[in-house]
Amino acid sequence: GAVVSQHPSWVICKSGTSVKIECRSLDFQATTMFWYRQFPKQSLMLMATSNEGSKATYEQGVEKDKFLINHASLTLSTLTVTSAHPEDSSFYICSASVTNSPLHFGNGTRLTVT
Amino acid sequence: QKEVEQNSGPLSVPEGAIASLNCTYSDRGSQSFFWYRQYSGKSPELIMFIYSNGDKEDGRFTAQLNKASQYVSLLIRDSQPSDSATYLCAVNRVFGNEKLTFGTGTRLTIIP
Repeated sequence: GAVVSQHPSWVICKSGTSVKIECRSLDFQATTMFWYRQFPKQSLMLMATSNEGSKATYEQGVEKDKFLINHASLTLSTLTVTSAHPEDSSFYICSASVTNSPLHFGNGTRLTVT
Repeated sequence: QKEVEQNSGPLSVPEGAIASLNCTYSDRGSQSFFWYRQYSGKSPELIMFIYSNGDKEDGRFTAQLNKASQYVSLLIRDSQPSDSATYLCAVNRVFGNEKLTFGTGTRLTIIP
């Protein structure tokens, strides 16, 4: 089945620094990847849709200048949290799919900003 | 009204019994429905998806969809302690996976 790999699994950073999270589709090409965020005891909230070779589409309320998304190839999308603050601490999950197939999620990245 | 509603639980079920998880959605245009299982601290994993009214069975899992009532459920037969997790219901307006809308999940505990 479709395998999505996410790295790192967890990261701790200081307030004001930037953090990059990678999402890779290992055994298929993903023209579209999705980035979700999940706060404790809450549901997954879609942040943005990442399209290979073009600009990401951000959901309402998500700051595109703070959450930089790059989808440079069919197997790699990156999310960079710039100038991170404690309120950005969350569980970030990427997902990818083959057209008309159910989403498969990466293993998630737990970000803690101190 | 939330777009996708689930009882947050916790739902406790004895080992070996049937666990029944329910989900309602508000958008009548929804076409595809998914159940994901999420263990604490982990990302969701797909359990089942269903597109048509009726039942869909896969091993110990059965998904039930009733579009007229805007209701989708997941039954887990012969519940095992390893089934203890949060179960997320997700819906989509298209046949596929773009921009899934998730419920907040139901926490299920299987009691040995």
